[in-house]
Amino acid sequence: KQEVTQIPAALSVPEGENLVLNCSFTDSAIYNLQWFRQDPGKGLTSLLLIQSSQREQTSGRLNASLDKSSGRSTLYIAASQPGDSATYLCAVRQGTNAGKSTFGDGTTLTVKP
Amino acid sequence: SQTIHQWPATLVQPVGSPLSLECTVEGTSNPNLYWYRQAAGRGLQLLFYSVGIGQISSEVPQNLSASRPQDRQFILSSKKLLLSDSGFYLCAWSHTGVGEAFFGQGTRLTVV
Repeated sequence: KQEVTQIPAALSVPEGENLVLNCSFTDSAIYNLQWFRQDPGKGLTSLLLIQSSQREQTSGRLNASLDKSSGRSTLYIAASQPGDSATYLCAVRQGTNAGKSTFGDGTTLTVKP
Repeated sequence: SQTIHQWPATLVQPVGSPLSLECTVEGTSNPNLYWYRQAAGRGLQLLFYSVGIGQISSEVPQNLSASRPQDRQFILSSKKLLLSDSGFYLCAWSHTGVGEAFFGQGTRLTVV
């Protein structure tokens, strides 16, 4: 059974810092990994999707990497801003028609002005 | 472009009452559809998924059921709510089993 762990559970940083969020998974037989952002009481917003054949994806100040063999992914946020404050979730998808995803519990990020 | 609608945003229901949450997707056809539940401060637990009309798979035994009466409509139901059914329910879709997943805004259900 796939298990996904996100460390740390919470992170507080001053504005302008670069930071890294971690996601690890136990079964390396994944099809892709997706990073999401969730604001309090809201749904999930997709940030980046990395296919299993890819090593990284970039969008603006965000960069996500994937090391499938070691079961790890990182989300790098450059020059953090207060507006980045949210919970960040990673989800791994097994390669089946159903497309079921297993989620981590998330990292809650607070960026202080 | 594709959009996903989920309603209502919040719901307070008494124990023993029925439940119906609706989710619709626009701008695509034959999507995979998913219902998740999120406990406070936790990740998402998959409840049901559907790869086509009338095809529903349940992931966990529970007091809930799901139906897909139309290609882009996914409904989460219960005949009699329990206190333990309280939570944040999220609907999602993807083009295929391996495509990017997109989520609705969620429904906060409180059973009293």
